[in-house]
Amino acid sequence: NAGVTQTPKFQVLKTGQSMTLQCAQDMNHEYMSWYRQDPGMGLRLIHYSVGAGITDQGEVPNGYNVSRSTTEDFPLRLLSAAPSQTSVYFCASRPGTRSVDEQFFGPGTRLTVL
Amino acid sequence: ILNVEQSPQSLHVQEGDSTNFTCSFPSSNFYALHWYRWETAKSPEALFVMTLNGDEKKKGRISATLNTKEGYSYLYIKGSQPEDSATYLCAPGSGGGADGLTFGKGTHLIIQP
Repeated sequence: NAGVTQTPKFQVLKTGQSMTLQCAQDMNHEYMSWYRQDPGMGLRLIHYSVGAGITDQGEVPNGYNVSRSTTEDFPLRLLSAAPSQTSVYFCASRPGTRSVDEQFFGPGTRLTVL
Repeated sequence: ILNVEQSPQSLHVQEGDSTNFTCSFPSSNFYALHWYRWETAKSPEALFVMTLNGDEKKKGRISATLNTKEGYSYLYIKGSQPEDSATYLCAPGSGGGADGLTFGKGTHLIIQP
């Protein structure tokens, strides 16, 4: 199993550009989520999904869209990039929707918005 | 959004010494408490998931305890080694847990040879 994979590893955008961060998992996990990690702020939840076709907002959803058309994939879309979105983005998955399940993280995408 | 506090923020420990740090969280609506280890330039890796008051978990030299009534958990490392250097994150889950975990800011541990 590859586990949770993310692409790209690094990305530089100009303000106003859009892009999609890809996340995939091959563990047949129901639950997937996106976090951003900023210095002094810890990991903050952006969006999550409890299954294909179902998504919901986390703590910091503004400026991001998600969709979940398959169990495996959970892309994160930046609609119009802003410098405040410069961050490291982590995708995570866990087997079920309950918080007792161990969560697995991808390797992260480092995004810089100029 | 839960209020999760971890202390200390950073810690320097001599190789061979034992150490511990704290995670505090709201005791109401508790469901589970996760501990993660996060090495620089890597992704967080799960250490423990704890659910019951009085729970104790152990993995090698690392152990954790849980007090859900007062809302805290301790992580202990016995005989610290340089490879233990990392940031240790805790994350409580509340209610049914369908929403994401709320992470503390972590304790950054540096083991000095």
